[in-house]
Amino acid sequence: TQLLEQSPQFLSIQEGENLTVYCNSSSVFSSLQWYRQEPGEGPVLLVTVVTGGEVKKLKRLTFQFGDARKDSSLHITAAQPGDTGLYLCAGAPRDSWGKLQFGAGTQVVVTP
Amino acid sequence: DTEVTQTPKHLVMGMTNKKSLKCEQHMGHRAMYWYKQKAKKPPELMFVYSYEKLSINESVPSRFSPECPNSSLLNLHLHALQPEDSALYLCASSQDTAGQGNTIYFGEGSWLTVV
Repeated sequence: TQLLEQSPQFLSIQEGENLTVYCNSSSVFSSLQWYRQEPGEGPVLLVTVVTGGEVKKLKRLTFQFGDARKDSSLHITAAQPGDTGLYLCAGAPRDSWGKLQFGAGTQVVVTP
Repeated sequence: DTEVTQTPKHLVMGMTNKKSLKCEQHMGHRAMYWYKQKAKKPPELMFVYSYEKLSINESVPSRFSPECPNSSLLNLHLHALQPEDSALYLCASSQDTAGQGNTIYFGEGSWLTVV
């Protein structure tokens, strides 16, 4: 059973369009992280959110942590081909002591 | 500096070989991890070391043997692997274990092919 439900699984859009990736759970997380991964490389950290209701911006990327700390979203504005990659959300449940839970990932393809 | 360094980048080994994957971080992190990742799947946790002691083993077969020589180094010794063990092996570290809200940083991974 996937503790973190990530959707959609695949997203193909044109350059300049916007996109949103969702990460949902019935569990409360002490923190939640978003990563982007290119083929053959390790996941690269984009952001960590810790506080319920928190919104963080990283250039054209906006990350939101739900008030109850059970869900999160990643919104990309005016996507570019360089945004192509596998986006992973990962959460640290309370008392997990090292067991980070991953979503299944969202493969994003941005075409010129 | 948020760098986790893994070597080798690529490894091809036979089923009777013994090899090791190495990982190093100099961020002063006290938790280190090994993950296994298959294509188009999220990483799967294998082992967690906290303060140089093995704290979590996710029922990993004994043909994978982790070692933490000191707080900056983490090794994964490989012996008698099977072709289905071919995958990207990721090392990661965090200031402390993730349950306390700490962030995990990944290395670039070691691509392992078992022939």
